[in-house]
Amino acid sequence: EDQVTQSPEALRLQEGESSSLNCSYTVSGLRGLFWYRQDPGKGPEFLFTLYSAGEEKEKERLKATLTKKESFLHITAPKPEDSATYLCAVQAWNNNAGNMLTFGGGTRLMVKP
Amino acid sequence: DVKVTQSSRYLVKRTGEKVFLECVQDMDHENMFWYRQDPGLGLRLIYFSYDVKMKEKGDIPEGYSVSREKKERFSLILESASTNQTSMYLCASSPDRGQYQETQYFGPGTRLLVL
Repeated sequence: EDQVTQSPEALRLQEGESSSLNCSYTVSGLRGLFWYRQDPGKGPEFLFTLYSAGEEKEKERLKATLTKKESFLHITAPKPEDSATYLCAVQAWNNNAGNMLTFGGGTRLMVKP
Repeated sequence: DVKVTQSSRYLVKRTGEKVFLECVQDMDHENMFWYRQDPGLGLRLIYFSYDVKMKEKGDIPEGYSVSREKKERFSLILESASTNQTSMYLCASSPDRGQYQETQYFGPGTRLLVL
């Protein structure tokens, strides 16, 4: 069974204080790992897809990296507007329907000015 | 830009009512999904569809049904709403890309309260 665990559950940062969010996964045959951002009361917004170990993707202050067991979302010099819940999900080749996602519980990030 | 819309942002219904939640996507995606999201439980898949008139059960289909008569539209039906179906409902769609990753794009969500 595919499993995704995100840590920490919540993270408080001061503006400008860089940090990383962790997503650990177990899956038989990774098809893709996805990062989403979710603001309160809204649907998840797609950020990145990674699919092979060593891959990195960047968007503004965010950089996602992938190993064979985990992914990190690095946040450099965060701003208050980066406050949100960040969700990680995996897509496996061995699903009956290969397009299904297994989500982690999310990390709630709060950036104080 | 991918656009997934949901018929209502907020909905209040009575126990026993039949509830329809509608989702429309404008990107000609083959796959559509319905999730519910609850504090501490994360996102859980209710049903998905990979083609018109096709549906597959997700992890928690009990108490729900779905309909996909047109490619762009996927409806979630609560046959007889109960208070434990109070939740945030999220619709998503994704293209069928064969050997490549199939990114799911989400709608804004419908917050349903069953009294």
